[in-house]
Amino acid sequence: GAGVSQSPSNKVTEKGKDVELRCDPISGHTALYWYRQSLGQGLEFLIYFQGNSAPDKSGLPSDRFSAERTGGSVSTLTIQRTQQEDSAVYLCASSHPTTGELFFGEGSRLTVL
Amino acid sequence: AQSVAQPEDQVNVAEGNPLTVKCTYSVSGNPYLFWYVQYPNRGLQFLLKYITGDNLVKGSYGFEAEFNKSQTSFHLKKPSALVSDSALYFCAVSPLSGTYKYIFGTGTRLKVLA
Repeated sequence: GAGVSQSPSNKVTEKGKDVELRCDPISGHTALYWYRQSLGQGLEFLIYFQGNSAPDKSGLPSDRFSAERTGGSVSTLTIQRTQQEDSAVYLCASSHPTTGELFFGEGSRLTVL
Repeated sequence: AQSVAQPEDQVNVAEGNPLTVKCTYSVSGNPYLFWYVQYPNRGLQFLLKYITGDNLVKGSYGFEAEFNKSQTSFHLKKPSALVSDSALYFCAVSPLSGTYKYIFGTGTRLKVLA
């Protein structure tokens, strides 16, 4: 596809369940980011992948959060034992190494009941 | 600490009037500067960026931004606002030297009134 694709677009889950959010970046973009946005607020950095380098996980809020990027392309953000405070929109973005600007997906809206 | 400030949570402007959305930054060196726009229930869209060169940068949808190094500002402007410009606007900074941790402002909600 032409843009960054995220799925699901909406996810409602019960407290304590695990969820997986998927991001398919733009082809050729070596950098991939996950951000969290709560209620139309600013962006909270979660994790960054660049090529085959070790990811920067410094923004993950707890050990319940993890992310993988397989084959330098698709990424999955996993939240274990979800809590109500995890409710937010999770945004994925990718960028080309030479241009700098981020291309965002439409986001995955997570609601934890 | 490196930071980006958008001092106004909301800006209201009448349709047809010029608009300005403010952004200042505190980053060492010569950073890359960006503006993104977010329409309701959508992801962020890239508007424009400054890397080097002319201080006035033109971007999508008629927007432009002026880089002012002495004031460490990168204000977003448009000569004539449209109702369809109503959205949430984010300023972002990417420090140079190969770092990737974009620093985003908290966003400014722009409301253009008909």
